[in-house]
Amino acid sequence: DIQMTQSPISLSASVGDRVTITCRASQSISNYLNWYQQKPGKAPKPLIYAASSLQSGVPSRFSGSGSGTDFTLTISSLQPEDFATYFCQQSYSTPYTFGQGTKLEIK
Amino acid sequence: QVQLVESGGGVVQPGRSLRLSCAASGFTFSRFAMHWVRQAPGKGLEWVSFLSYDGSDKYYADSVKGRFTISRDNSKNTLYLQMNSLRVEDTAVYYCVRGGEYNYGLGIYFDYWGQGTLVTVSS
Repeated sequence: DIQMTQSPISLSASVGDRVTITCRASQSISNYLNWYQQKPGKAPKPLIYAASSLQSGVPSRFSGSGSGTDFTLTISSLQPEDFATYFCQQSYSTPYTFGQGTKLEIK
Repeated sequence: QVQLVESGGGVVQPGRSLRLSCAASGFTFSRFAMHWVRQAPGKGLEWVSFLSYDGSDKYYADSVKGRFTISRDNSKNTLYLQMNSLRVEDTAVYYCVRGGEYNYGLGIYFDYWGQGTLVTVSS
């Protein structure tokens, strides 16, 4: 199985900050990497697919980059509604594994 | 608009069975692969199972292989998950998820999620 490791696990930031979350795969997964946002009590919501493609309706302050084993999710200017937990997920091969999540909290 | 509505969750004793259903609407169900993803309380996300658009291909996580069966009825726009020999560690919210595609179908992502149904396995 491909292991996905996110860092940091938790992050405190302020509105307006630029934030970067990292996801590392245990083997090369090309660009088969997706990002999701989850708020408490809600289902996850897709943000980025294919490492860097923005899901329809997602604000442009979200961006993704990377290929191979190392990927990043960047939020250019944090908004109050962005405080949530973020998960990466690989779709290179089954089982489709997720990272453990990064909880983004208000400083 | 795309809607996925799960049902069938509840409290069940270890070793018993439960069947989850997911009613789909707002898109052509028979054209999309579907998945089940679960989340134990306070934990991360775990992919459980995949079913191709026509039901011909199925994959399972090792943790449920041999105990869970995914199926679909395209005439009813419904996805199912038959869960047998349930264990305490199967306790989770189960999400029905549509499989979006990219890279000409080589890549998948979870583009629409249901609200989830809670399964609690406890004696």
